[in-house]
Amino acid sequence: DTAVSQTPKYLVTQMGNDKSIKCEQNLGHDTMYWYKQDSKKFLKIMFSYNNKELIINETVPNRFSPKSPDKAHLNLHINSLELGDSAVYFCASSRTGGRTEAFFGQGTRLTVV
Amino acid sequence: QQPVQSPQAVILREGEDAVINCSSSKALYSVHWYRQKHGEAPVFLMILLKGGEQKGHEKISASFNEKKQQSSLYLTASQLSYSGTYFCGTEIDGNKLVFGAGTILRVKS
Repeated sequence: DTAVSQTPKYLVTQMGNDKSIKCEQNLGHDTMYWYKQDSKKFLKIMFSYNNKELIINETVPNRFSPKSPDKAHLNLHINSLELGDSAVYFCASSRTGGRTEAFFGQGTRLTVV
Repeated sequence: QQPVQSPQAVILREGEDAVINCSSSKALYSVHWYRQKHGEAPVFLMILLKGGEQKGHEKISASFNEKKQQSSLYLTASQLSYSGTYFCGTEIDGNKLVFGAGTILRVKS
């Protein structure tokens, strides 16, 4: 069983489109994150959710919005996609925030053309 | 706010040792270490909590000096499988795990 699963694994889309990336964890964790990894491999935190409540909203464009229908899911919706949004997006979860290990999904490689 | 890692990259021959450092300008409550291989997700190696402990994982160990706000990852007798990018992560603002820029480790035969 995959602990943290993301779909899709690859996403190619045109500028201006709206897309969503889904994330599910079956670990019973309370905290979920979204990270963006650019071509320089830097892992930038975008959002974190604790028990369905957004607790930290990074200074990312408001075209990005996290949506959590329940504790096990944290989806990322992106409006009006731009070329600079091309990156690998990782979902992760942890039992209790930053003091317990984080488990990462396999990543979604987003390419905006 | 993210931790600072050094060196940026290191090349080793099999059997050699390496040290990767991580430091923060803020008080640290925990330090995480992850390894990411090309095209894969980061994988957890170990976590060190406030208390200055040292942990080991096979031939990989780490130390945490909370007074100096530093952690070091030690890789001994490196193997080809150790190649990848190593990230340290720190908890800030209570519930936020942020990562350093990563250290690329390449082990050659």
